[in-house]
Amino acid sequence: DSGVTQTPKHLITATGQRVTLRCSPRSGDLSVYWYQQSLDQGLQFLIQYYNGEERAKGNILERFSAQQFPDLHSELNLSSLELGDSALYFCASSVEGVGANVLTFGAGSRLTVL
Amino acid sequence: TQLLEQSPQFLSIQEGENLTVYCNSSSVFSSLQWYRQEPGEGPVLLVTVVTGGEVKKLKRLTFQFGDARKDSSLHITAAQPGDTGLYLCAGADSNSGYALNFGKGTSLLVTP
Repeated sequence: DSGVTQTPKHLITATGQRVTLRCSPRSGDLSVYWYQQSLDQGLQFLIQYYNGEERAKGNILERFSAQQFPDLHSELNLSSLELGDSALYFCASSVEGVGANVLTFGAGSRLTVL
Repeated sequence: TQLLEQSPQFLSIQEGENLTVYCNSSSVFSSLQWYRQEPGEGPVLLVTVVTGGEVKKLKRLTFQFGDARKDSSLHITAAQPGDTGLYLCAGADSNSGYALNFGKGTSLLVTP
């Protein structure tokens, strides 16, 4: 157990739908990162939050949004889902938000869009 | 744009063999990290290399950071089935806001 908790573990939904993925960071970590992993693209950085504020943005689509709450948990919202959004979504956390930090990953949420 | 290129993409070897996987970039990194990911799990950090030319050893795994801090290699001696997994290198630079960018990884299969 890495200490980073992600729910749900598996999710199957239809095109056009909206889903929310949830992440609780490791105790004491202030930064949360979201990554998308697919076979063809590998592990792609989506977005980072540090202590409730957006810190860095990667290849996140406009249909996707995220936030980090005062208790430091984070949610990734995916809307108007397309077949190509099917992937593993990982949350990771780290202590600090500046510089290249060591990330602790959760076990991921597998999203299947039918 | 994929900042980090890893090779080979796939590697299948027998127990006891040695292997080297590579991570290359045109960018200079302040540090590079290596992670291993097993099926159904998230990546787990193996090592961080910081200084150009640095060599770090973790049991049978040897990690090297290039002198110019643009590339790195991972050498495994006498591979075991437990080494099977996806090996990912990751680096951050100012262009990415210091968020870690990952290579696509090398998928290693070690058979008994």
